[in-house]
Amino acid sequence: NAGVTQTPKFQVLKTGQSMTLQCAQDMNHNSMYWYRQDPGMGLRLIYYSASEGTTDKGEVPNGYNVSRLNKREFSLRLESAAPSQTSVYFCASSGRGRRRWTGELFFGEGSRLTVL
Amino acid sequence: AQTVTQSQPEMSVQEAETVTLSCTYDTSENNYYLFWYKQPPSRQMILVIRQEAYKQQNATENRFSVNFQKAAKSFSLKISDSQLGDTAMYFCAFMKLLNRDDKIIFGKGTRLHILP
Repeated sequence: NAGVTQTPKFQVLKTGQSMTLQCAQDMNHNSMYWYRQDPGMGLRLIYYSASEGTTDKGEVPNGYNVSRLNKREFSLRLESAAPSQTSVYFCASSGRGRRRWTGELFFGEGSRLTVL
Repeated sequence: AQTVTQSQPEMSVQEAETVTLSCTYDTSENNYYLFWYKQPPSRQMILVIRQEAYKQQNATENRFSVNFQKAAKSFSLKISDSQLGDTAMYFCAFMKLLNRDDKIIFGKGTRLHILP
Protein backbone atom coordinates (compact mmCIF):
# COMPACT_ATOMS: atom_id res chain seq x y z
CA ASN A 1 0.00 0.00 0.00
CA ALA A 2 1.97 3.01 -1.27
CA GLY A 3 -0.62 5.70 -0.35
CA VAL A 4 0.95 9.11 -1.02
CA THR A 5 4.48 9.17 -2.35
CA GLN A 6 6.50 12.36 -2.65
CA THR A 7 10.00 12.91 -3.96
CA PRO A 8 12.65 13.91 -3.23
CA LYS A 9 12.79 13.48 0.55
CA PHE A 10 15.69 15.89 0.91
CA GLN A 11 17.02 18.65 -1.32
CA VAL A 12 19.50 21.49 -0.97
CA LEU A 13 19.25 24.37 -3.40
CA LYS A 14 21.05 27.61 -3.97
CA THR A 15 19.12 30.85 -4.11
CA GLY A 16 17.65 31.31 -7.57
CA GLN A 17 17.68 27.67 -8.56
CA SER A 18 14.48 25.92 -9.55
CA MET A 19 13.11 22.54 -8.63
CA THR A 20 9.95 20.47 -8.68
CA LEU A 21 8.54 18.36 -5.87
CA GLN A 22 6.64 15.38 -7.17
CA CYS A 23 3.64 13.77 -5.51
CA ALA A 24 1.57 10.76 -6.50
CA GLN A 25 -1.31 8.94 -4.79
CA ASP A 26 -2.78 5.55 -5.58
CA MET A 27 -6.06 5.86 -3.66
CA ASN A 28 -8.10 7.32 -6.53
CA HIS A 29 -8.64 10.52 -4.54
CA ASN A 30 -10.01 13.63 -6.20
CA SER A 31 -8.35 16.21 -3.95
CA MET A 32 -4.66 16.83 -3.52
CA TYR A 33 -2.81 19.40 -1.43
CA TRP A 34 0.59 20.92 -0.84
CA TYR A 35 1.44 22.20 2.65
CA ARG A 36 4.58 23.64 4.13
CA GLN A 37 5.54 23.16 7.77
CA ASP A 38 7.71 25.65 9.60
CA PRO A 39 8.54 25.77 13.34
CA GLY A 40 5.86 27.63 15.25
CA MET A 41 3.72 28.07 12.13
CA GLY A 42 2.01 24.71 11.86
CA LEU A 43 0.98 23.50 8.41
CA ARG A 44 0.11 26.18 5.92
CA LEU A 45 -1.66 25.40 2.68
CA ILE A 46 0.23 26.43 -0.45
CA TYR A 47 -2.04 25.14 -3.21
CA TYR A 48 -4.72 22.53 -3.57
CA SER A 49 -6.52 20.76 -6.37
CA ALA A 50 -10.12 19.67 -5.90
CA SER A 51 -10.11 17.60 -9.07
CA GLU A 52 -8.05 16.81 -12.12
CA GLY A 53 -7.55 19.97 -14.14
CA THR A 54 -8.27 22.44 -11.35
CA THR A 55 -5.97 24.17 -8.88
CA ASP A 56 -6.57 26.85 -6.26
CA LYS A 57 -4.36 29.03 -4.12
CA GLY A 58 -4.08 28.38 -0.43
CA GLU A 59 -2.72 30.60 2.33
CA VAL A 60 0.86 31.04 1.08
CA PRO A 61 1.01 30.55 -2.73
CA ASN A 62 3.58 33.23 -3.60
CA GLY A 63 6.75 31.84 -5.15
CA TYR A 64 5.16 28.50 -6.08
CA ASN A 65 3.40 26.95 -9.04
CA VAL A 66 1.54 23.66 -9.24
CA SER A 67 0.41 21.22 -11.89
CA ARG A 68 -2.28 18.58 -11.57
CA LEU A 69 -0.90 16.34 -14.26
CA ASN A 70 -3.63 13.73 -13.90
CA LYS A 71 -5.74 12.32 -11.11
CA ARG A 72 -2.76 10.64 -9.48
CA GLU A 73 -0.10 13.32 -9.66
CA PHE A 74 0.24 16.85 -8.25
CA SER A 75 3.58 18.62 -8.52
CA LEU A 76 4.89 21.74 -6.78
CA ARG A 77 7.45 23.92 -8.54
CA LEU A 78 9.77 26.56 -7.14
CA GLU A 79 10.85 28.68 -10.10
CA SER A 80 13.45 30.76 -8.28
CA ALA A 81 14.12 29.41 -4.80
CA ALA A 82 14.60 31.81 -1.89
CA PRO A 83 15.90 31.14 1.64
CA SER A 84 12.37 31.88 2.95
CA GLN A 85 11.23 28.73 1.17
CA THR A 86 13.41 26.56 3.38
CA SER A 87 10.82 24.26 4.93
CA VAL A 88 9.38 20.78 5.13
CA TYR A 89 6.81 20.22 2.39
CA PHE A 90 3.95 17.77 2.66
CA CYS A 91 1.73 16.47 -0.08
CA ALA A 92 -1.67 15.09 0.92
CA SER A 93 -4.77 13.69 -0.69
CA SER A 94 -8.38 13.08 0.27
CA GLY A 95 -11.58 11.93 -1.30
CA ARG A 96 -13.92 9.01 -1.66
CA GLY A 97 -11.50 6.85 -3.54
CA ARG A 98 -12.26 3.24 -2.83
CA ARG A 99 -13.68 3.86 0.63
CA ARG A 100 -16.44 5.87 2.28
CA TRP A 101 -15.53 9.53 2.35
CA THR A 102 -14.37 10.66 5.78
CA GLY A 103 -12.58 13.93 5.07
CA GLU A 104 -9.34 12.41 6.27
CA LEU A 105 -6.13 13.68 4.73
CA PHE A 106 -3.54 11.09 3.75
CA PHE A 107 -0.04 12.53 3.87
CA GLY A 108 3.24 11.76 2.22
CA GLU A 109 6.37 11.47 4.34
CA GLY A 110 7.46 15.03 3.70
CA SER A 111 10.29 16.65 1.78
CA ARG A 112 12.90 18.72 3.56
CA LEU A 113 14.07 21.56 1.37
CA THR A 114 16.96 23.85 2.28
CA VAL A 115 17.68 26.96 0.24
CA LEU A 116 21.11 28.48 0.82
CA ALA B 1 -11.95 33.00 6.14
CA GLN B 2 -11.68 30.21 8.63
CA THR B 3 -8.99 30.27 11.31
CA VAL B 4 -7.85 27.65 13.79
CA THR B 5 -6.10 28.61 17.04
CA GLN B 6 -4.15 26.36 19.37
CA SER B 7 -3.18 28.41 22.39
CA GLN B 8 -0.76 25.94 23.97
CA PRO B 9 2.53 25.77 22.04
CA GLU B 10 3.97 23.11 24.34
CA MET B 11 2.83 20.86 27.19
CA SER B 12 4.35 18.18 29.40
CA VAL B 13 2.60 15.56 31.52
CA GLN B 14 3.59 12.45 33.39
CA GLU B 15 2.90 9.07 31.88
CA ALA B 16 -0.57 7.70 32.80
CA GLU B 17 -1.98 11.17 33.45
CA THR B 18 -4.80 12.76 31.51
CA VAL B 19 -4.07 15.79 29.33
CA THR B 20 -6.31 18.16 27.41
CA LEU B 21 -5.21 20.08 24.34
CA SER B 22 -7.18 23.17 23.38
CA CYS B 23 -8.39 24.30 20.00
CA THR B 24 -10.70 27.12 18.99
CA TYR B 25 -11.81 28.05 15.52
CA ASP B 26 -13.61 30.81 13.78
CA THR B 27 -16.12 30.22 11.00
CA SER B 28 -19.46 31.41 9.73
CA GLU B 29 -20.23 27.95 8.35
CA ASN B 30 -22.75 25.68 10.03
CA ASN B 31 -21.63 22.37 8.58
CA TYR B 32 -18.01 21.34 8.87
CA TYR B 33 -15.58 18.72 10.05
CA LEU B 34 -12.95 19.09 12.76
CA PHE B 35 -9.89 16.90 13.11
CA TRP B 36 -6.97 16.21 15.38
CA TYR B 37 -3.79 14.98 13.73
CA LYS B 38 -0.70 13.64 15.45
CA GLN B 39 2.83 14.07 14.15
CA PRO B 40 5.39 11.94 16.04
CA PRO B 41 9.14 12.47 15.65
CA SER B 42 9.01 10.30 12.53
CA ARG B 43 7.26 13.27 10.89
CA GLN B 44 4.40 11.14 9.58
CA MET B 45 0.98 12.78 9.96
CA ILE B 46 -1.64 10.50 11.52
CA LEU B 47 -5.34 11.16 11.98
CA VAL B 48 -6.29 10.81 15.66
CA ILE B 49 -9.98 11.68 15.69
CA ARG B 50 -12.69 13.35 13.62
CA GLN B 51 -15.86 15.23 14.60
CA GLU B 52 -18.75 16.16 12.34
CA ALA B 53 -20.27 19.47 13.43
CA TYR B 54 -23.85 18.31 12.93
CA LYS B 55 -23.34 15.52 15.48
CA GLN B 56 -23.89 16.56 19.09
CA GLN B 57 -22.20 13.48 20.50
CA ASN B 58 -18.49 13.89 21.16
CA ALA B 59 -16.26 11.58 19.16
CA THR B 60 -14.10 9.01 20.96
CA GLU B 61 -11.34 6.70 19.78
CA ASN B 62 -10.01 4.48 22.56
CA ARG B 63 -8.02 6.76 24.90
CA PHE B 64 -8.72 9.83 22.77
CA SER B 65 -11.89 11.89 23.07
CA VAL B 66 -13.00 15.38 22.19
CA ASN B 67 -15.06 18.03 23.89
CA PHE B 68 -16.88 19.73 21.03
CA GLN B 69 -18.65 22.96 21.96
CA LYS B 70 -20.18 24.26 18.74
CA ALA B 71 -21.57 27.51 20.12
CA ALA B 72 -18.24 28.36 21.73
CA LYS B 73 -16.35 27.14 18.63
CA SER B 74 -14.14 25.01 20.80
CA PHE B 75 -12.75 21.56 20.03
CA SER B 76 -10.43 20.18 22.70
CA LEU B 77 -8.69 16.81 22.67
CA LYS B 78 -8.44 14.71 25.81
CA ILE B 79 -5.86 11.95 26.06
CA SER B 80 -6.50 9.55 28.93
CA ASP B 81 -3.89 7.28 30.49
CA SER B 82 -1.18 8.98 28.45
CA GLN B 83 1.63 6.82 27.09
CA LEU B 84 5.19 7.59 26.02
CA GLY B 85 4.15 6.93 22.43
CA ASP B 86 1.74 9.88 22.64
CA THR B 87 4.71 12.24 22.56
CA ALA B 88 4.19 14.23 19.36
CA MET B 89 2.99 17.44 17.77
CA TYR B 90 -0.78 17.64 17.70
CA PHE B 91 -2.61 19.69 15.12
CA CYS B 92 -6.22 20.77 15.12
CA ALA B 93 -7.78 21.15 11.66
CA PHE B 94 -11.00 22.48 10.11
CA MET B 95 -12.79 21.67 6.89
CA LYS B 96 -16.01 23.05 5.45
CA LEU B 97 -18.58 20.42 4.59
CA LEU B 98 -20.33 22.30 1.82
CA ASN B 99 -17.77 21.16 -0.70
CA ARG B 100 -16.19 17.91 0.32
CA ASP B 101 -13.12 18.59 -1.77
CA ASP B 102 -12.38 21.92 -0.17
CA LYS B 103 -9.26 22.99 1.63
CA ILE B 104 -8.36 21.98 5.16
CA ILE B 105 -6.90 24.58 7.52
CA PHE B 106 -4.57 23.66 10.39
CA GLY B 107 -3.66 25.32 13.65
CA LYS B 108 -0.06 25.96 14.63
CA GLY B 109 0.15 22.86 16.75
CA THR B 110 0.83 21.82 20.34
CA ARG B 111 4.00 19.93 21.15
CA LEU B 112 3.15 17.31 23.78
CA HIS B 113 5.80 15.59 25.90
CA ILE B 114 4.86 12.51 27.90
CA LEU B 115 7.38 12.12 30.71
CA PRO B 116 8.32 8.71 32.16
